[in-house]
This record gives sequence, C-alpha cells and structure tokens, in this order.
Amino acid sequence: AQTVTQSQPEMSVQEAETVTLSCTYDTSESDYYLFWYKQPPSRQMILVIRQEAYKQQNATENRFSVNFQKAAKSFSLKISDSQLGDAAMYFCAYKETGTASKLTFGTGTRLQVTL
Amino acid sequence: DVKVTQSSRYLVKRTGEKVFLECVQDMDHENMFWYRQDPGLGLRLIYFSYDVKMKEKGDIPEGYSVSREKKERFSLILESASTNQTSMYLCASSSAGTGNYGYTFGSGTRLTVV
Repeated sequence: AQTVTQSQPEMSVQEAETVTLSCTYDTSESDYYLFWYKQPPSRQMILVIRQEAYKQQNATENRFSVNFQKAAKSFSLKISDSQLGDAAMYFCAYKETGTASKLTFGTGTRLQVTL
Repeated sequence: DVKVTQSSRYLVKRTGEKVFLECVQDMDHENMFWYRQDPGLGLRLIYFSYDVKMKEKGDIPEGYSVSREKKERFSLILESASTNQTSMYLCASSSAGTGNYGYTFGSGTRLTVV
C-alpha cells in the first residue's frame, strides 16, 4: 500500500520569509499524482498545488512551488514571502492514475506564521 | 460556486446511538468519499463510492457503513456510535473525468460521542 510521510508535525516561519515543508512517499507505480492541500481553521480543504509524476518540471502556483524528486520519492512544498493567511495545516497527498483511485494523505504539518 | 455540503458542522451523540452523516454535492460528480481526520493521523479513508449504489471499503471501514441512493448524496452511517468514533469527518467528491486534478471537500462534521 502507498504511504505518505510528513516528518514535521509543526513548522514556524516569519512573515515575508520562505519555508519548506517536507513530504516523502512510497509507491511502486511510475505514473501518479501528488498534491498539497491547505486546511485553515475554517476546516475547508483547499488545493494548493498539483504535480504529475511524468512531468519533470516542478509545479508552481504564485508563491507556492514544489521540489519534486521522483527517484528519491520526495515532494516538498516551498512557500515564499509567507503571509499571515498561510497559517494552516498542510497535507501532502498521493493519488494513482485512474479516475476512481483514492487520495492517500500524510499526517500533516501545522504551519505558524509570526510577525 | 461548486460545493460539497455536509449537513452538520458539529454533532454530539450518545454511545450506542445510530448516527447519520450526510453529504451532498452539486457538481454531478461520480466519485464520493468519506474521510476521518484525527490529530497526528491525518486523513484516513473510510469508504468511497464511484457510482450510485456502489461502495468500496477504504482503509478503516470497521464500525461504519455507507449509502448512496442518489448521485449527489453520500451518507455515512455509524450503526452504534462509540467514543472511539469521536473525530472530524470530511466528505469529498471528484469527477470521473477530472479526478486526477484532486477532490472538492466539504467543511467537515466534528462528531463527539459521549
């Protein structure tokens, strides 16, 4: 079974600084998808960024970017110019190809943003 | 704005009660999912459904059942609630055609069993 590991239960960053959240996963598949979701105190899960495993280019969405290392099975999220609104739980998730396959989540990293 | 709506934000039930958690989506999605979220454990899949009247067990189905009589509605049932089912429950949906773009989630139901 696929597993997703987030080894940092909590992280803290100062406003305007950069922070990197780590994620590793285990799979025997060659084609799959990886996601980062954000869960603010409102509890609404928000998709932050998505990466397709067959694409070598790292995904970027405004201040959010990933470092995807397929051979190392690593998928870290970098948040640049951190803002107070970035404070949330961040979950890394893995999904096989196939329209009915499930998302497997990591245990989450709580990000605090300080002034 | 597309939505996944969970009927209750907070719920308190007694041990042994039968509990229904309801989820409705308005996006005509084929796939629907129920996750349980606990601190330090992340989100764990309880059940999912990829079509009306179809259901598949997830990673932690024990103590739960589901019902999907209509495409837009997916219910999670706790036949006899126990205190170890106190948790946050999240419903999600995805399209069969665009599921690889992620899921749409509801806002969660925080269930307390006393």
